[in-house]
Amino acid sequence: ELKVEQNPLFLSMQEGKNYTIYCNYSTTSDRLYWYRQDPGKSLESLFVLLSNGAVKQEGRLMASLDTKARLSTLHITAAVHDLSATYFCAVEGIYGNKLVFGAGTILRVKS
Amino acid sequence: GAVVSQHPSWVICKSGTSVKIECRSLDFQATTMFWYRQFPKQSLMLMATSNEGSKATYEQGVEKDKFLINHASLTLSTLTVTSAHPEDSSFYICSPSEPASYGYTFGSGTRLTVV
Repeated sequence: ELKVEQNPLFLSMQEGKNYTIYCNYSTTSDRLYWYRQDPGKSLESLFVLLSNGAVKQEGRLMASLDTKARLSTLHITAAVHDLSATYFCAVEGIYGNKLVFGAGTILRVKS
Repeated sequence: GAVVSQHPSWVICKSGTSVKIECRSLDFQATTMFWYRQFPKQSLMLMATSNEGSKATYEQGVEKDKFLINHASLTLSTLTVTSAHPEDSSFYICSPSEPASYGYTFGSGTRLTVV
């Protein structure tokens, strides 16, 4: 059974600081997704990582995937208040395309 | 592409009544739709997978008689919460199974409150 562990679950950051969110998964997969969710809203796609070594960047966020270690990271550079949200990683199982979500990381960026 | 419209965005109903949530794919044909449930401050949990023209597949622990899923066409899937109770209060989100290049698309979600 595919399990996805995400940490930390809560992250309080000062503006301008850097930090990394980690996503570990338990079985083989080479498709991993990162999503952002604002309070009361649905999910917004951030990154799609489809192969080992994949690295994608958008603004202050950078995501990477190591399929051998079954680990993905979401790195935040010079955080700003607008990045405050909940971030989820989701892994696609190899049998069918069901997504299994991590628990989510609540990010609060303080001014 | 992959635009999904979900309605209603929120609904309040009395215990014992039924509520229908619609999920429409506006610019593509969704042969399969995933339905998720999200309790406050928790992650998304897959409830069921609906397939056009056939019975839905439910995840373990999800009552199929309580959460009725219909996928009668390639552009419409519905989730009906029957005899709703306060513990069914949650955020329900649909998602077509075909990922776009930017990842899976999600409906805007339905906030159900049962009083």
